[in-house]
Parts: sequence; structure tokens; C-alpha cells
Amino acid sequence: GEDVEQSLFLSVREGDSSVINCTYTDSSSTYLYWYKQEPGAGLQLLTYIFSNMDMKQDQRLTVLLNKKDKHLSLRIADTQTGDSAIYFCAETWGEKLTFGTGTRLTIIP
Amino acid sequence: KAGVTQTPRYLIKTRGQQVTLSCSPISGHRSVSWYQQTPGQGLQFLFEYFSETQRNKGNFPGRFSGRQFSNSRSEMNVSTLELGDSALYLCASSLYPGSSGNTIYFGEGSWLTVV
Repeated sequence: GEDVEQSLFLSVREGDSSVINCTYTDSSSTYLYWYKQEPGAGLQLLTYIFSNMDMKQDQRLTVLLNKKDKHLSLRIADTQTGDSAIYFCAETWGEKLTFGTGTRLTIIP
Repeated sequence: KAGVTQTPRYLIKTRGQQVTLSCSPISGHRSVSWYQQTPGQGLQFLFEYFSETQRNKGNFPGRFSGRQFSNSRSEMNVSTLELGDSALYLCASSLYPGSSGNTIYFGEGSWLTVV
């Protein structure tokens, strides 16, 4: 199947860490991506991880990959109001990307 | 370096009309994909072009078509528009097709409203 699953909502206090989770389906996916979408905008590539890695860090962003469980997570350290958005994970499936439903991240002041 | 450029950004069409959307990929990128985003169905793959050839097509009716030009710019066309075609249409650009494992960048999208 092609279902990539994410929780729909996440609320986090400003300054705390946010952890957004994703379960993907295709163990042969080569790359897994995280995109950010702000209201009225397109998709902004945040980061990606190759399937033979288990962790990638990029400034405030940390991606963890558990290939055995097909679980991907995105941790945003020191969450700010500008991080409010919908976050999509995506896996490569053949020649295309298959996206999760998106997680709406809300920052509580 | 300019990003992925999509035009027009917003448009309103009437049922039964047709529409053409344009996408200019990042300079040097040869692969262009199109996705449809709706509240109900989320992000769904439409088709992918590489070197002017359609390599893959999603599960959409024949009213949805596209092409790619020799300069890698791409257009998609929707004929006989239906209300359900109202969506954000996103174009993605990469050096090679997605399965090759390369970074994929998206444009700001074209918001289509069918009335």
C-alpha cells in the first residue's frame, strides 16, 4: 500500500521541542523527506534522510529514522512562532513522492 | 538561483472551461512533477516528466494532461473543468526523477477555483 501516516495536530509551547512522527510503508524507499507548508504557500523542503542513515541533524532540526519499524520523526528544537505550519513527511515510491496527511503544528505562547 | 516558478498563482474558471498551468523548474533541473492538493484528498501525484517524456502518471482522468518542453519548462492542462478540480496545483523540480534519490523542490503553486 501507499499510506503514509501522521498525526493531524500537535500543540507545543514556544521554546519547547516539537516532535512530529510519521509511519511510512515502503521499506525500499531510498529517500524520506520533510516539507513545511505555511498558509497559502507551497511546500518548503526542510530536510531529507537517506534510508541507510538513522539520524540527520541540521541546525534546529533532527530527523530520526527507524527502518525496522518504518518510523520517521522530525524534532524541532526551541520551537518558535514562525514554526507554525503544516508538516508533511514523504517517501519516494517509484518515480513519485507519497505524502502523509500532514501534521498541523500550533505554537502556544 | 531562482526557485521553481509557477504561473498563474491564482485563477478562477467556470465549469466546462479548460485551464493551462505553467511551471519553470530550477535552472539545470530536468525533472518536473505535478501534484494536486485538496483538503479532502491531500497531496496526490499527477504526472512526471523527464527530458520531455512522461515517465509516470497518477490515477487521474484523461482530462488532465501535461507536457515538457526542451528547456525543461512544463505545462499541465485540465479540460472540461469540474467543481472538484478546485485545488492547489504544485509543481516539483529535481535534477533527475524522484527514484534516483535527489532533492525535490516545490513551487508556490497555482490556486485554481472552479465555479
